[in-house]
Amino acid sequence: SSELAQPPSVSVSPGQTARITCSGRTLSDQYAHWYQQKAGQAPVMVMSKDTERPSGIPERFSGSSSGTTVSLTITGVQAEDEADYYCQSADSSGTWMFGGGTKLTVL
Amino acid sequence: QVTLRESGPALVKPTQTLTLTCSFSGFSLSSEGVCVGWVRQPPGKALEWLALIDWDDDKYYGASLKTRLTIYKDTSKNQVVLSMTNMDPVDTATYFCARILRSGWDGAFDVWGQGTMVTVSS
Repeated sequence: SSELAQPPSVSVSPGQTARITCSGRTLSDQYAHWYQQKAGQAPVMVMSKDTERPSGIPERFSGSSSGTTVSLTITGVQAEDEADYYCQSADSSGTWMFGGGTKLTVL
Repeated sequence: QVTLRESGPALVKPTQTLTLTCSFSGFSLSSEGVCVGWVRQPPGKALEWLALIDWDDDKYYGASLKTRLTIYKDTSKNQVVLSMTNMDPVDTATYFCARILRSGWDGAFDVWGQGTMVTVSS
């Protein structure tokens, strides 16, 4: 089982706000990064170091962190945002890890 | 432009050893902080980190597969190779390589290859 816990699914209507959470003990002192994976494609990083949006990622994507939980928020969800989202972190033993993934459905 | 591309056999038999190559361009694996890692994804399942090698030739492996994995780099060829022994049908997955820019124990997989599908079947 993953050391980073994500809800299996989140559903929202277009234009609404989607929030995807990721919880894990390592997040209290390590950053989390987020990836979007559309069907049949490689993952793409959409958030780095909890809150840093890489170049080219729309402003509607934002990140936050509190204690052992991080969140990826998509404000004004669009149909093209439908995808699987994974959080990722590491720990001081040299272990990198991914969450179990969250399927975002745009209704 | 940073690119990575995985190559290797599409089909392996049970008990065989899988060897995958990640060929990359646009960055140097000799530069401090630069790493290349491998991640796999069984059909319909989540991403699983497998292994990582850094600029200083330090190697890290996921606990569940550590005894079966070997990662090494050929800096002159801009390649990272992953081998996995004793393949089993449950190892059927898409295998990705990615660049990681590491700072301490932090590092994001900022650029990914397209992935290569490996099926394990007799």
